[in-house]
Amino acid sequence: ELKVEQNPLFLSMQEGKNYTIYCNYSTTSDRLYWYRQDPGKSLESLFVLLSNGAVKQEGRLMASLDTKARLSTLHITAAVHDLSATYFCAVVISNFGNEKLTFGTGTRLTIIP
Amino acid sequence: DTGVSQDPRHKITKRGQNVTFRCDPISEHNRLYWYRQTLGQGPEFLTYFQNEAQLEKSRLLSDRFSAERPKGSFSTLEIQRTEQGDSAMYLCASSQGTSGTRRIVYEQYFGPGTRLTVT
Repeated sequence: ELKVEQNPLFLSMQEGKNYTIYCNYSTTSDRLYWYRQDPGKSLESLFVLLSNGAVKQEGRLMASLDTKARLSTLHITAAVHDLSATYFCAVVISNFGNEKLTFGTGTRLTIIP
Repeated sequence: DTGVSQDPRHKITKRGQNVTFRCDPISEHNRLYWYRQTLGQGPEFLTYFQNEAQLEKSRLLSDRFSAERPKGSFSTLEIQRTEQGDSAMYLCASSQGTSGTRRIVYEQYFGPGTRLTVT
């Protein structure tokens, strides 16, 4: 059974600092997604990582994928308050066309002014 | 707005009652998924449709749960004889294949969710 673990589960950081969220998964995967969720809201797609060594950047967020280590990272550069949210990684294993997502437990990020 | 829509957004019901939720996917998306998210957890897969065919159901989907997608467009999720443990956010997502670097990617787009509270 596929297991997806994130750490840390909670992260409180000051504005302007850098930090990294880690996502480990237990079996070979077809691709990996990062999502953002604001309180009481649905999921917003941030990145999709398709292959080993993939790196994607959008603003202050950068995601990378190491399929050999079964590890993805989400790096936050010079954090700002607007980035406060819960971040989920989700792994896909295709099964006869079903590309269901298996989510990590989430990292609740709070940026302190 | 052409995104995924869900109705209702909030539902409060008493234990033992039946509830039904609706999901309207993005037009022409042939794949539709239901997920459940409890407080403080990541979403968990419930079931998957390709067009009108329900192709996979999670073990989380007990016999009190049923989902349909009768014409391959909107979908409904019904919970019979609700229990307090059913309280959660129910999320719907749809997808259609788009070309990735070397293969087709079926990125899922999520609706706003239906928050169910069973009292």
